[in-house]
Amino acid sequence: AQKVTQAQTEISVVEKEDVTLDCVYETRDTTYYLFWYKQPPSGELVFLIRRNSFDEQNEISGRYSWNFQKSTSSFNFTITASQVVDSAVYFCALRVYSGGGADGLTFGKGTHLIIQP
Amino acid sequence: ETGVTQTPRHLVMGMTNKKSLKCEQHLGHNAMYWYKQSAKKPLELMFVYNFKEQTENNSVPSRFSPECPNSSHLFLHLHTLQPEDSALYLCASSQDSAGENTEAFFGQGTRLTVV
Repeated sequence: AQKVTQAQTEISVVEKEDVTLDCVYETRDTTYYLFWYKQPPSGELVFLIRRNSFDEQNEISGRYSWNFQKSTSSFNFTITASQVVDSAVYFCALRVYSGGGADGLTFGKGTHLIIQP
Repeated sequence: ETGVTQTPRHLVMGMTNKKSLKCEQHLGHNAMYWYKQSAKKPLELMFVYNFKEQTENNSVPSRFSPECPNSSHLFLHLHTLQPEDSALYLCASSQDSAGENTEAFFGQGTRLTVV
């Protein structure tokens, strides 16, 4: 069985501060995919990034960066120079590769990020 | 229209009512999903359809009945629900389970309240 843990229930920072959201996952599968989603108050989950288990290269996209470390089973997400619009609930998710057929995502409980002006 | 569209956005129903949630995706994806998001709980996968065939039923009570008439449409039929079924129901789609395009795209959800 898979498990995703987001230990930070809520984080509050002042605008322009950097903030890191933690994600730790568990799986016995060797091929899997990791995701981050953003859920603003409107409710829709917005896809941010996908990482494959065989690709540990870190990624930067504007103010967003992701640090994937298989040795610690972590996939952390950092927002640099945070903005009020970054306020949302952020979910980390895991999907294993079953060799065919669609598979659902296993989500963490989410981290509520509050950016204060 | 683009993306994944869910209707209605909000629904209030009594425990004896029958209602249906609708989801439509305009992304040309082959797989569709229903998730339930309750307060203080992780998103829970309910059903998975791949090429219109149900491939997963995650121990969901029979008062929830999915229907997938084609790869673009997904329904969730509701019957004799309980107050604890009140939640945000999210529909998602993805291109394929295998290969690179595994990310799911979500609709805005239906906020269901059972009274």
